[in-house]
Amino acid sequence: IAGITQAPTSQILAAGRRMTLRCTQDMRHNAMYWYRQDLGLGLRLIHYSNTAGTTGKGEVPDGYSVSRANTDDFPLTLASAVPSQTSVYFCASSVKGENNEQFFGPGTRLTVL
Amino acid sequence: GQNIDQPTEMTATEGAIVQINCTYQTSGFNGLFWYQQHAGEAPTFLSYNVLDGLEEKGRFSSFLSRSKGYSYLLLKELQMKDSASYLCAVKDSNYQLIWGAGTKLIIKP
Repeated sequence: IAGITQAPTSQILAAGRRMTLRCTQDMRHNAMYWYRQDLGLGLRLIHYSNTAGTTGKGEVPDGYSVSRANTDDFPLTLASAVPSQTSVYFCASSVKGENNEQFFGPGTRLTVL
Repeated sequence: GQNIDQPTEMTATEGAIVQINCTYQTSGFNGLFWYQQHAGEAPTFLSYNVLDGLEEKGRFSSFLSRSKGYSYLLLKELQMKDSASYLCAVKDSNYQLIWGAGTKLIIKP
C-alpha cells in the first residue's frame, strides 16, 4: 500500500452495535488523527495520536475510543453506535511538526439507523 | 470560542480569477492551511502560510494577514477541474487544526 487506507469504505449499522473503523498508513508518520465531516460543518477532530503508544481527545471524543499500538495503525471504535454518529469519517496522518501537512485517507461513510 | 468563517458557496467562470476569503478567531496561531476537497473524496493539501504575505504556487496563491485574522486563496485561470470545496484550517495554540466549513466553488463554462 502507498499512503493511508481506511476500511470499510461504507457501512450501515444498527444503533447499539459496536463498530471499529480501520486506518493504516505506510509513510511512517508519527502523528495520526480521526475526524468526522458533517454537511455544513468543518472537519471536527475526534481523537489524535502524536506517537505510537499515546492518544489524546479532540473536539468531539464522546462515544469514540482509539488505540495506537504501533506506528502504522490507528483504529477508531464506536462502542455503542447512535444515529448522531452518522457521518463521513476521515483518518489522517502527518510528520510531527508545525508546518507539516496532513495526509488524508479516502474516508468511511457510516450510517447508523 | 474558536471560529473559522468562509463563504458557503461561490460561482466563477472558466478562465477567470476567484478569491476565496477566510477569517479566523482562534486561541493562538501556528499557521494557516488551505485544502482542496472534490466531492466524495478526501481533502488534499494546497498551501501553508505562517508569516504575513503572499505565497504563490502555480495557478494558486494564498495570502495571510495575522493582525487582521484574515487569509485568502486566489485561483487564476480557472479550469473545470477546480470545481471543489476549499477548506481553510488554522493550527491553534495546541497545534491542533481548527477547520472552516469549506467554500464550494462552482465553475461555469
